[in-house]
Amino acid sequence: NAGVTQTPKFQVLKTGQSMTLQCAQDMNHEYMSWYRQDPGMGLRLIHYSVGAGITDQGEVPNGYNVSRSTTEDFPLRLLSAAPSQTSVYFCASSHEGWGAYTEAFFGQGTRLTVV
Amino acid sequence: GQQLNQSPQSMFIQEGEDVSMNCTSSSIFNTWLWYKQDPGEGPVLLIALYKAGELTSNGRLTAQFGITRKDSFLNISASIPSDVGIYFCAGPSGNTPLVFGKGTRLSVIA
Repeated sequence: NAGVTQTPKFQVLKTGQSMTLQCAQDMNHEYMSWYRQDPGMGLRLIHYSVGAGITDQGEVPNGYNVSRSTTEDFPLRLLSAAPSQTSVYFCASSHEGWGAYTEAFFGQGTRLTVV
Repeated sequence: GQQLNQSPQSMFIQEGEDVSMNCTSSSIFNTWLWYKQDPGEGPVLLIALYKAGELTSNGRLTAQFGITRKDSFLNISASIPSDVGIYFCAGPSGNTPLVFGKGTRLSVIA
């Protein structure tokens, strides 16, 4: 059972380039989310989804787009990369929600550098 | 939005020592979660707390849900080198995904 799989693990982009970070889960979880982790800042929520076709913004959504066409996949798109988007990105999923009686499972992260 | 404040930000301890860290919030949480992040990995759930006053153990780890529902504590007894990492408290914010503290970075000196 793979759990939550993120690709790529490492990526270097030039300012202005676009790219998609992939996230896939094989646990049939309805809830998925994207966080970014910066030194001393903890994990900050970018976007999330409560099911296929439903997405919403988190704390730091600017510069990112998401879509949820299937239960399994939740890609994160950087429209025009900026150095401020240099970070480690984590995808997470859970079965019935967040917190109460459910566990959020995290991928191994994508380390993105924008030069 | 809701914010979680963790302290201390970092700790350097000798192997075998006990560790205590805490997390506070200005608003009430109905669930407190403690995650650990190993270097280069994603966070993994250690302990979940669902009731005010609850004390829960997982091996050498013990966590408590504060009576006021605005704080939580994590203790690690007899630390070992593999305890190194970042410890996060987290809680659900309404119907949105988890809110995380900024983490406590633990270093263990053998």
